Amino acid sequence: QKEVEQDPGPLSVPEGAIVSLNCTYSNSAFQYFMWYRQYSRKGPELLMYTYSSGNKEDGRFTAQVDKSSKYISLFIRDSQPSDSATYLCAMSSGGSNYKLTFGKGTLLTVNP
Amino acid sequence: ETGVTQSPTHLIKTRGQQVTLRCSSQSGHNTVSWYQQALGQGPQFIFQYYREEENGRGNFPPRFSGLQFPNYSSELNVNALELDDSALYLCTYTHPSYNEQFFGPGTRLTVL
Repeated sequence: QKEVEQDPGPLSVPEGAIVSLNCTYSNSAFQYFMWYRQYSRKGPELLMYTYSSGNKEDGRFTAQVDKSSKYISLFIRDSQPSDSATYLCAMSSGGSNYKLTFGKGTLLTVNP
Repeated sequence: ETGVTQSPTHLIKTRGQQVTLRCSSQSGHNTVSWYQQALGQGPQFIFQYYREEENGRGNFPPRFSGLQFPNYSSELNVNALELDDSALYLCTYTHPSYNEQFFGPGTRLTVL
């Protein structure tokens, strides 16, 4: 079993839809959780960074962490064509400057 | 822009050759990490350097080696290239104030 599992999609939604992206993990040592967005032929950029269980909101993005179920989610409200990208979940045991363990990424397309 | 630069952007090598990839940060952050991202996969941690010393290594063979220089720029060296080494190689620098890893745009290596 991989340490981090992420449905690779692809996921295609109409503009304005609510998007839900999910990852599960098996390593209880993971304490820090991140979501990165990666456009084609670019490096990943950090979207959300959370530590504790619960929700964290930033504009149209909400990150949710459930440590008891080892499950994290990213919700995108009012999705836009510019949100079309690959979304990667990442985790670490010692903060975001430590080794990051990534999921495979979910390719999202938002259709106008 | 993250201020992290990588060179070259692309390169093509043949099996058995050696390659050197370079990474630098405009702000001179002292922690640099390298990741390998195969097509359709999430990035995998290769190793991290802190103040010119290796500070953690992932599951990669010794033919993957690195250096960090006094100005905190870094090199990734891969000897005896194999076809499976074809990937996007990403470096990150940790922002000391925000405890966040910033990714460079990557170097795409193709091994024929």
